[in-house]
Amino acid sequence: GENVEQHPSTLSVQEGDSAVIKCTYSDSASNYFPWYKQELGKGPQLIIDIRSNVGEKKDQRIAVTLNKTAKHFSLHITETQPEDSAVYFCAARPSSNTGKLIFGQGTTLQVKP
Amino acid sequence: SQTIHQWPATLVQPVGSPLSLECTVEGTSNPNLYWYRQAAGRGLQLLFYSVGIGQISSEVPQNLSASRPQDRQFILSSKKLLLSDSGFYLCAWSAAGASQPQHFGDGTRLSIL
Repeated sequence: GENVEQHPSTLSVQEGDSAVIKCTYSDSASNYFPWYKQELGKGPQLIIDIRSNVGEKKDQRIAVTLNKTAKHFSLHITETQPEDSAVYFCAARPSSNTGKLIFGQGTTLQVKP
Repeated sequence: SQTIHQWPATLVQPVGSPLSLECTVEGTSNPNLYWYRQAAGRGLQLLFYSVGIGQISSEVPQNLSASRPQDRQFILSSKKLLLSDSGFYLCAWSAAGASQPQHFGDGTRLSIL
């Protein structure tokens, strides 16, 4: 079955710097890759997603890139702000009609003011 | 707009007691529904998913069960809780179809004593 590896597990950056979180997946048939932000005591919130027919997607300070050949995708946050501090999860959807997602283990991002 | 509600937000139960967690979705019809468990500092593990009333698929063997008595209601249950059932339980929904994003509730923090 699908397996998703996420790195790093923790990331600390200075306010204004960029942050990059990387994920690899094992199932080459996976076709949908969302990213979630989870704040303490809350459920994960979808921040951006990308489908397998697209290589890059951007939404203001957040971008996601997908390399299907290498089976990895990355989240890029530019001009980080303290409110970006949270746990970020990547996920991959194996090719199926159930909508199931396989999640990475999460990255705790700390943005220092 | 669509909303998802989970309750209770926190729950403390003794070992061996029963469990019932409820999740409801508003503003959509025939959603896919999901139950996840998140252990402290870990990723999300899919427990159950449902593509329709009375249709439940279990992802991992465990002490829990799920039911979907109505289109937008998803219930997580146990007859006798174990210490290992402690965790953060999240419900999610997505529109029917393979590439629809999942949206999470704010979870239930379950502590077993």
